[in-house]
Amino acid sequence: GAGVSQSPSNKVTEKGKDVELRCDPISGHTALYWYRQSLGQGLEFLIYFQGNSAPDKSGLPSDRFSAERTGGSVSTLTIQRTQQEDSAVYLCASSPALRTGGSEAFFGQGTRLTVV
Amino acid sequence: KNEVEQSPQNLTAQEGEFITINCSYSVGISALHWLQQHPGGGIVSLFMLSSGKKKHGRLIATINIQEKHSSLHITASHPRDSAVYICAVQVHNNNDMRFGAGTRLTVKP
Repeated sequence: GAGVSQSPSNKVTEKGKDVELRCDPISGHTALYWYRQSLGQGLEFLIYFQGNSAPDKSGLPSDRFSAERTGGSVSTLTIQRTQQEDSAVYLCASSPALRTGGSEAFFGQGTRLTVV
Repeated sequence: KNEVEQSPQNLTAQEGEFITINCSYSVGISALHWLQQHPGGGIVSLFMLSSGKKKHGRLIATINIQEKHSSLHITASHPRDSAVYICAVQVHNNNDMRFGAGTRLTVKP
């Protein structure tokens, strides 16, 4: 498709289980972002990939969270030993190559994660 | 202190009113985005600004780089404009993005 695609759209998991969330960015976009939005809260930055550079992981809330981006395209966000406070909507966005004046960001529809 | 501050947090208006949402930021930026998030969570990019002013239909966005401030205006507001409006900045030189907490707008008929 033409937009940013995320899967699954909804995920319910038991506390303590691991989950993987997938993001397919727009083809050719070099920048990819992961955010999360807890119920009633604003967007929280998690991690950012730019081309082949080392990712900016400064937003990851704990070492249970990790992300990778294979071949500069698809990205997977992994949450190990999920906790109830991990319940949120996880959003992915991509943007074209860095250029003067910034780059348009395009958002996926998100994955709603519920930890029970 | 957050790097991106929005005001107001909540705004209720009557249909037809002129609406202004403000955003101030404290970091050097390459661009500022105004985003719209509807109930159900989908996010749409409304504007990307690095200087001056942009207009799209009833929406106008302005930015003052020297004052590190941007405003989003909605003219002749309509109930379908009800949404959360989010200001986001792309940090200078690395494309990283930081978000304001959002402004929840409710337009009553």
